Amino acid sequence: DTGVSQDPRHKITKRGQNVTFRCDPISEHNRLYWYRQTLGQGPEFLTYFQNEAQLEKSRLLSDRFSAERPKGSFSTLEIQRTEQGDSAMYLCASSSTGGRAYRSYNEQFFGPGTRLTVL
Amino acid sequence: AQSVTQLDSHVSVSEGTPVLLRCNYSSSYSPSLFWYVQHPNKGLQLLLKYTSAATLVKGINGFEAEFKKSETSFHLTKPSAHMSDAAEYFCVVSVLSGYSTLTFGKGTMLLVSP
Repeated sequence: DTGVSQDPRHKITKRGQNVTFRCDPISEHNRLYWYRQTLGQGPEFLTYFQNEAQLEKSRLLSDRFSAERPKGSFSTLEIQRTEQGDSAMYLCASSSTGGRAYRSYNEQFFGPGTRLTVL
Repeated sequence: AQSVTQLDSHVSVSEGTPVLLRCNYSSSYSPSLFWYVQHPNKGLQLLLKYTSAATLVKGINGFEAEFKKSETSFHLTKPSAHMSDAAEYFCVVSVLSGYSTLTFGKGTMLLVSP
């Protein structure tokens, strides 16, 4: 399967613990995105990488959230000192660049998500 | 600022009848609009996209949507529902600015009965 993969698929943790999620994008994609989806809502954009550079992180929910993509391939999302309100589905997506038009859209391919439950 | 409003949280249809999922958008600039589908335990999948070309957009699995600027709408339709269409559908807006940040609606759950 050459789609976007995420690990783990489910994570249960206790309040105050740190958690880390991994995303492996489609291999030829250089853009990677993280989203959060809470119950009854659509996904909400968190952060974005082009290669190893994190180009947008202002929408990370708090300073407890951080993301890395050290070699421009897989990415990790870490939540420190988890709170019950962090319980959600965390989605990763990847896309390529390219397209001659400035406004060209390069489809984002989504992974299955990691469901986090904070007790 | 940009946003989308999906007017129905749930839509129920019978198999073989038409599907209409409603979406209104708000955007300060010329938007790009998309519909994504999410089946249980599967990743989001792009159904179709509008990026300032033809206003009637055809997507996968027989779905289509029409961009109506005067009504700020982008409703999703299908002539005949299948059981396999049962899923959650998201209307999405983006203002392309070098990268594509997607703003999702809250979703519409489509229920298909035999």
